[in-house]
Amino acid sequence: NAGVTQTPKFQVLKTGQSMTLQCAQDMNHEYMSWYRQDPGMGLRLIHYSVGAGITDQGEVPNGYNVSRSTTEDFPLRLLSAAPSQTSVYFCASSYSAYRGLSYNSPLHFGNGTRLTVT
Amino acid sequence: AQKITQTQPGMFVQEKEAVTLDCTYDTSDQSYGLFWYKQPSSGEMIFLIYQGSYDEQNATEGRYSLNFQKARKSANLVISASQLGDSAMYFCAMREGGADKLIFGTGTRLQVFP
Repeated sequence: NAGVTQTPKFQVLKTGQSMTLQCAQDMNHEYMSWYRQDPGMGLRLIHYSVGAGITDQGEVPNGYNVSRSTTEDFPLRLLSAAPSQTSVYFCASSYSAYRGLSYNSPLHFGNGTRLTVT
Repeated sequence: AQKITQTQPGMFVQEKEAVTLDCTYDTSDQSYGLFWYKQPSSGEMIFLIYQGSYDEQNATEGRYSLNFQKARKSANLVISASQLGDSAMYFCAMREGGADKLIFGTGTRLQVFP
């Protein structure tokens, strides 16, 4: 049982380059989300999705795009990387309150992607 | 808008002692859930404990308990009999009922010394 799988684990980009962080889960979770973690800032929500075809912005969405074509996958795209996007990125999933399931479902996290933009 | 506040950037505790990590929250919703996560130096996020807004009893999971004071909007994590392996970052988080997004606080770094 893989849980939440994030790739890559590490990535170095030059300013202006684009890339996609991959996230996949095999728990049939409706809800998926992306966070970035910066020192002293905790985890800040970038984008989230409550099901295939549905996405919404979190606290810090600028510079990032997402799509949700399947229940399993939720990629995060950086169209033009900036040094301010240097961070550790986490993907997380859970059962969803949107479908009437309990809101006490804890998030299951991937192992994170450490991104450096130079 | 929902908000989570953790006012202790760092805490020290001696091994075998108990420690309380503070968390206050702000929401206008009557239904919500509160979560605590641990992040060791290896970086993974580990779910510890959950408290629902309608739960009458404080949640407990082994050495972890949640001191839930609804009127004060606080959900403090209590770790009893601290161990060296408890040294980590601890995050409080909240999910409002009927919504899905989970919002985190800035975290508290706990260091346990012998």
